[in-house]
Amino acid sequence: QLPLQESGPGLVKPSETLSLTCTVSGDSISTRSYFWGWIRQPPGKGLEWIGHIYYDGTTYYNPSLKSRIIISIDTSKNQFSLRLTSVTAADTAVYFCARVPRGGQWLEGDNWFDHWGQGILVTVSS
Amino acid sequence: QTVVTQEPSFSVSPGRTVTLTCALTSGSVSTSSFPSWYQQTPGQAPRTLIYSTNSRSYGVPDRFSGAILGNKAALTITGAQADDESDYYCVLYVGSGIWVFGGGTKLTVL
Repeated sequence: QLPLQESGPGLVKPSETLSLTCTVSGDSISTRSYFWGWIRQPPGKGLEWIGHIYYDGTTYYNPSLKSRIIISIDTSKNQFSLRLTSVTAADTAVYFCARVPRGGQWLEGDNWFDHWGQGILVTVSS
Repeated sequence: QTVVTQEPSFSVSPGRTVTLTCALTSGSVSTSSFPSWYQQTPGQAPRTLIYSTNSRSYGVPDRFSGAILGNKAALTITGAQADDESDYYCVLYVGSGIWVFGGGTKLTVL
C-alpha cells in the first residue's frame, strides 16, 4: 500500500485561500509513470476531479475551478499541494489526494486514480 | 459542459448479476474515454476497481468486470454479495485534459 497523507487546516474563512499538502511515502514523486492528483467530495455528495500534476510541473485542471486553483509539486519533499483561492461554503468538502498512473502506452487521457489518501475535511465558515 | 451520468440507485439480490452504466450527456463513451470505476463506502476513501475500460485493479476479485456496452461504459458485478453494497463512481476522459466523475450509483444488495 502506498501511503498518501493530506494535511492542512480544517477550517478556512470565506474569501480566503485553502491550502493543502499531500505527502507521499514509499514511492518517489519524481517517477515518470505517475501524475499526482486532487479530488474532493462535498458532504453527502459525489466525487469531483480537481486536477493533477506531473513531476515536471505539467498540470491539468477542472475547467470549473481553473481560475481559482494552483497545484504545485515539491520533489525535494516528496509532496504536492493544492491552493484554492476565494473559497465559499460550496468549497466545503473532504479533499483527497491520489496517485494517478499513466497507462502502459502513455496515451493522453489514460489516467486513473489508484492509491488514495484518507481524505481531509475542510470546512469553509466564518 | 460535459456531464457524465450514472443510475442514481440500483438494487440487486444476493448472488445475482448487476450492470451499472456510465454515459455522456452528449456523445458516446468509447475506449478512448478510458473509463475507470471506484467503489466507496461511507466515511472511506474510494477503492479503485477498474481502469482503462476493463483492467482490474490489484486485488479486485474477478466478479467485477468492465466493458463498453453500446455507447456507455459498464461495470458488471457477477454474483453480488452483501459487502458490495456501496456507492460506485465512474470517471471518463472527455478530452482536452479533462476528466469527469459521474454522479455515482448507490447499490443496495437485498
